[in-house]
Amino acid sequence: DIQMTQSPSSLSASVGDRVTISCRASQDISNYLAWYQQKPGKVPTLLIHAASTLQSGVPSRFSGSGSGTDFTLTISSLQPEDVATYYCQKYNSDPPETFGGGTKVEIK
Amino acid sequence: EVQLVESGGGLVQPGGSLRLSCAASGFTFSRYWMHWVRQAPGKGLVWVSRINPDGSIIQYADSVKGRLTVSRDNAKYMLYLQMTSLRAEDTAVYYCATSVGCPAVNYWGQGTLVTVSS
Repeated sequence: DIQMTQSPSSLSASVGDRVTISCRASQDISNYLAWYQQKPGKVPTLLIHAASTLQSGVPSRFSGSGSGTDFTLTISSLQPEDVATYYCQKYNSDPPETFGGGTKVEIK
Repeated sequence: EVQLVESGGGLVQPGGSLRLSCAASGFTFSRYWMHWVRQAPGKGLVWVSRINPDGSIIQYADSVKGRLTVSRDNAKYMLYLQMTSLRAEDTAVYYCATSVGCPAVNYWGQGTLVTVSS
């Protein structure tokens, strides 16, 4: 099975900072990569699919990049409402549709 | 509006069984893959299973194979998760989810909590 490894597991940054979260697949998954945001006590929401396609309604400060095995989620200017745990997930045709371990983002 | 509403969670003893249900509305249920994802308290998301639109393809995470069974009733717009031989490590919030108009999962239910404990 393909493993998805996120780093860091947590980070603390100031409002306005640029934040990057990495996700690495153990095998090539092309661009079949999604990013989710889960705020405390809430259901996950889709931010990005196909590695870089922003879901409708998601603020433009969020962006995704990468293909193959290395992917990045970037928040260009961190806002207080971005406090959440972020997960990557591969979703190509071969199961399992593995999630990364998550990255908890806090405000410094 | 797409809605997914899970039910059936609760407290069950180790080795016991439970059936979760997910009622879908707001989309043509029979056209879409459905998923179950779980999240243990304070832990990350774990994909559990998926089922194709007509129910002929069902895939599971290795950790649940042989103990969890997914099914669907397209006429009733219902998704099910039959859970048997439950273990403490199955304790989690179970979400049903789907991908409508998007290749990735973009709709989630509110989740139902399953607690396996004596």
